[in-house]
Amino acid sequence: DTGVSQDPRHKITKRGQNVTFRCDPISEHNRLYWYRQTLGQGPEFLTYFQNEAQLEKSRLLSDRFSAERPKGSFSTLEIQRTEQGDSAMYLCASSLGAPNTEAFFGQGTRLTVV
Amino acid sequence: AQSVTQLDSHVSVSEGTPVLLRCNYSSSYSPSLFWYVQHPNKGLQLLLKYTSAATLVKGINGFEAEFKKSETSFHLTKPSAHMSDAAEYFCVVSIYGNNRLAFGKGNQVVVIP
Repeated sequence: DTGVSQDPRHKITKRGQNVTFRCDPISEHNRLYWYRQTLGQGPEFLTYFQNEAQLEKSRLLSDRFSAERPKGSFSTLEIQRTEQGDSAMYLCASSLGAPNTEAFFGQGTRLTVV
Repeated sequence: AQSVTQLDSHVSVSEGTPVLLRCNYSSSYSPSLFWYVQHPNKGLQLLLKYTSAATLVKGINGFEAEFKKSETSFHLTKPSAHMSDAAEYFCVVSIYGNNRLAFGKGNQVVVIP
C-alpha cells in the first residue's frame, strides 16, 4: 500500500497522560500536514512541514502539542498532559510541494481521553 | 482569509434523483478548490479539484462541479444518486502559498432507497 498510513488507528488514554501518533506519508511527498477533526465539523489545520522544517503552526496547537518530522519522512504528533477536549480524530495528509496539488489523507487516529 | 461555506449540514436524496451540494468560498487570490468525500471509517478521498483550468470539473463516481467566479461558488452535482454515495462531503479551499486546506463544515448525505 503506497498511501498515507497512520498509527495507531485508535487510542484511549486517561486524562493527564501523554500520547504520540505516527504518520508515514507517501514517499515522494515533501509536504506533510496534521489536521484535527471533531464530531460534526470539518478538519482543522494544526501544522505542516516542508521536508523536515515545520513551517506553520495553528493557534489551535497549544504548547502541550508538539510535532516533528526528523528526517523529512515520517512525522510524529505528541500531546502532553491530555485533556478531554483533545478527544478528536487526528488526520495526517501529504502532498507534493507544487502549487495547487491535492493532499492525500490517511485514515486518521481517533483519540479518546477518559 | 480564505474560507468556504457549506449550508445544509444534512441532505437527504432519493436513490436515482439528482444530488446538489452548495459551496461558496471567499479568497483573496484565485483559489484552488476541492471536494473531498469521507465514508464512515475511511479516510478522506479526493472527488475532484479546480485549479484555474476548465470551470466545469469532472470527478470520480459521476460527480462534477462548476466554478463560478462571479458567484464565488463551486457547487457539487451528480445526476443520479446511488446508495454508495451516502457519506460526508467537504468543500475545501487551498491556502495560497503553502497549500494547506481550509474545510467547510461538511454535508452529510443520506440516500433513501
